[in-house]
Amino acid sequence: ETVMTQFPATLSVSPGERVTLSCRASQSVSTHLAWYQQKPGQAPRLLIYGASTRATGIPARFSGSGSGTEFTLTISSLQSADFAVYYCQQYYNRPAWTFGQGTRVEIK
Amino acid sequence: QITLKESGPTLVKPTQTLTLTCTFSGFSFSTDKVGVAWIRQPPGKALEWLALIYWDDDKRYSPSLESRVTISKDTSKKEVVLTMTNMDPEDTATYYCAHSPYNFGPNWFDPWGQGILVTVSS
Repeated sequence: ETVMTQFPATLSVSPGERVTLSCRASQSVSTHLAWYQQKPGQAPRLLIYGASTRATGIPARFSGSGSGTEFTLTISSLQSADFAVYYCQQYYNRPAWTFGQGTRVEIK
Repeated sequence: QITLKESGPTLVKPTQTLTLTCTFSGFSFSTDKVGVAWIRQPPGKALEWLALIYWDDDKRYSPSLESRVTISKDTSKKEVVLTMTNMDPEDTATYYCAHSPYNFGPNWFDPWGQGILVTVSS
């Protein structure tokens, strides 16, 4: 099974700051990597798929990069609506789709 | 517009079998090459994929839960059903179903249902 590791576990940031979240796979997942945002009491929402393609309706301040085992999600200028937990997920190595443990982005 | 909604019991006793239903709209197993997955999330913890079923009835299971989980579909009713046997308090979680597009291989999950919190307690 491919283990996804996210770091840091928590990020304390101020609105307007640039934020970079990291995700590492235990084996190559090519670019078969998605990012989700989850706010309290809500279902996860797809942000990025294919490592770098924004999902429909996702603002341009969200961008994804990476391939193989190292990936990043960048929020260029953090808005108040962006405080949430972010998960990465691989969908390359069967039999399982696996998620990272999440990174919480909180207000500094 | 694709929507999904989970339904089923919110409280089950230890050792019982859980049956959850995902009712969806906006796509069809009879015309679209898609999958529907089940994912769960214990309170305050991370997401865990459980199972997925494709339009052609191909089924995939999490290796850690394969002995306890069964996924099935009713194409005409637009439903996907998850059963999980021998429930334990550690299975307490919010259970989500989600749509997964298919493009010559597995893909991401989008959108997700609102989730249903299932508590396992005597």
